Amino acid sequence: QVELQESGPGLVKPSETLSLTCTVSGGPISSYCWSWIRQPAGKGLEWIGRFYASGSSDCNPSFKSRVTMSVDTSKNQFSLKLSSVTAADTAMYYCARETYSSGWNADNWGQGTLVTVSS
Amino acid sequence: DIRLTQSPSFLSASVADRVTITCRASQDIGSFLAWYQQKPGKAPKLLIYAASTLQSGVPSRFSGSGSGTEFTLTISSLQPEDFATYYCQRLDTYPITFGQGTRLEIK
Repeated sequence: QVELQESGPGLVKPSETLSLTCTVSGGPISSYCWSWIRQPAGKGLEWIGRFYASGSSDCNPSFKSRVTMSVDTSKNQFSLKLSSVTAADTAMYYCARETYSSGWNADNWGQGTLVTVSS
Repeated sequence: DIRLTQSPSFLSASVADRVTITCRASQDIGSFLAWYQQKPGKAPKLLIYAASTLQSGVPSRFSGSGSGTEFTLTISSLQPEDFATYYCQRLDTYPITFGQGTRLEIK
């Protein structure tokens, strides 16, 4: 059974870059597709983007050019960087594994990591 | 962008009740729809994918149906552990979006 664990700073200053890592255990990261989803407190889910095993990625246009995703297969980790953060980026951030059947479905999730943007 | 609208936003029901949650898309999305369950303080859990396929390990009291623009999630007999928030998600094109959620509470 694959397990995912998010890690990164819980507090980021406005205008700085949020950096998170998702460590995958129980299976190779070189397979499947890997995504980031966030959820502000008391609100709904927002898809950020996904990273394919091929090395390409797709991102929610609402984040424009703020998002960078990468993978380190040697460590079985994938990462998210979100630049120029504001208070609106305060949220629980989840990483997830996606498998394909009528779209990429998030069938395994990390427990989430809370990121607060504040000075 | 294609919007997803869930109804109701809030639902109060009793153990053993049959409940149905609806998700409507503003345009045809075929069967590119998933349903997730989220309990407080926990990550979402995939219940249904491809509109009607039950994810492995999910109890058979959960079922999904629909295609095109209207979809439903049905719980045939509510159990205490089913009280949670449910989200639909469209997967056809970018941006991937979720419905606003349906909070299911104990009556």
